[in-house]
Parts: sequence; structure tokens; C-alpha cells
Amino acid sequence: ETGVTQTPRHLVMGMTNKKSLKCEQHLGHNAMYWYKQSAKKPLELMFVYNFKEQTENNSVPSRFSPECPNSSHLFLHLHTLQPEDSALYLCASSPNNEKLFFGSGTQLSVL
Amino acid sequence: AQSVTQPDIHITVSEGASLELRCNYSYGATPYLFWYVQSPGQGLQLLLKYFSGDTLVQGIKGFEAEFKRSQSSFNLRKPSVHWSDAAEYFCAVGAGRDDKIIFGKGTRLHILP
Repeated sequence: ETGVTQTPRHLVMGMTNKKSLKCEQHLGHNAMYWYKQSAKKPLELMFVYNFKEQTENNSVPSRFSPECPNSSHLFLHLHTLQPEDSALYLCASSPNNEKLFFGSGTQLSVL
Repeated sequence: AQSVTQPDIHITVSEGASLELRCNYSYGATPYLFWYVQSPGQGLQLLLKYFSGDTLVQGIKGFEAEFKRSQSSFNLRKPSVHWSDAAEYFCAVGAGRDDKIIFGKGTRLHILP
């Protein structure tokens, strides 16, 4: 148990659906991250938030929309996804970018 | 820009045997180096990290890693593996406290009984 909780654990959605992934941490960390993990590819950093402000967006398509309402919660809103977006989406938090605490991830399947 | 290479996609060792997982990095200055482990259906967990000082770093679960600047390597070792060590292992590099962490593609470790 890392202290980072992600829901749901599994999600199946059609290409026209809208869904949201949720991440929550009560570790007092300032930074939160979204990573995408696809088979046979390195972990891809998608977004970084520091003190609720987005500090990094790695050219992620606009069909992925992050939201960080406070330093404990991070959302990833999904709409009109493509089958190639199927992956494990991992949330992480960090007190100082020296160590990442990962959630268990949301396994997303886009049909 | 920094990068990480894990040359072995899969490694199979017998239980009780020693283990070494390879990691090479590319970065101009002294990097921050990490090893993470991911069990099936789980997120990543930090095994150990190197920032400075002693080049041999001890981590959790009996793992250690050695930073070799001349070889740009940060290989992970364990003297005797257990069946529970079967997982995927990721090497990662960062340029500093305010820089993002870049992950390798991972090495999947299989343990033979």
C-alpha cells in the first residue's frame, strides 16, 4: 500500500463515451503525475502538477484532459478515445521528485 | 536529453541463483538513478535510488545496485532470488529534484522453481 489510490481499477469504454479516472493521495505530497503504460513501451509521462498547477504536458492529445482541484486529488477526463489509448494509466505523487509513489493503476480498454 | 536503456526484455533465473539486471543511461552530468519494481496488477514501487556518495546502494528486499560512471551503468543485483521476486523491473533516470524522471522499457524477471 503506497498511499496513492486510483479508481476504477478497470474500465472498458466505447470510443464515444466520456469517463474519468480518479487519483487520491493523503501523503501531503506537492506533485502529482499521470503516466501511461503500454505493452513493450517505456512508461510515458503525460502530465505533471505541482501545487495544483500544471507544469508539464507531454504533447498529450486533447482527448485526455487532466484536472487537479487540490493537492490531494487528480483526475484524468477521457472523451472520444481511440483503441490505441488502451493501456494502464498510473497516477503517482511525490514530495520532491526524488521518489515517486505509484497507485495500482487503471487498466483501460477502448472498444 | 537523458535516456535509459534496459537491454534485456526478459530474464529467467532459478530460485536461489544470483541476479543481475542491466541498465545503461545517457546523461551529461551525474544523474539521479532509480530502480522500481512492478508486480502484476500493481503500480511501481521504489527499490532503491542513487543521488550521490557511495556508488553501491542498498535497497529493499535484499537488492543492491552499483553506479559506474565510466560505464554509464546502474545494474541491479541480488545474491539469491526468491519466487516472489518475479516481476517487472524498471530503471529510471532524472536530472535533478525539479526534473522529470525517465523510465526504461523494463525487464521482466521469471523465476524457475
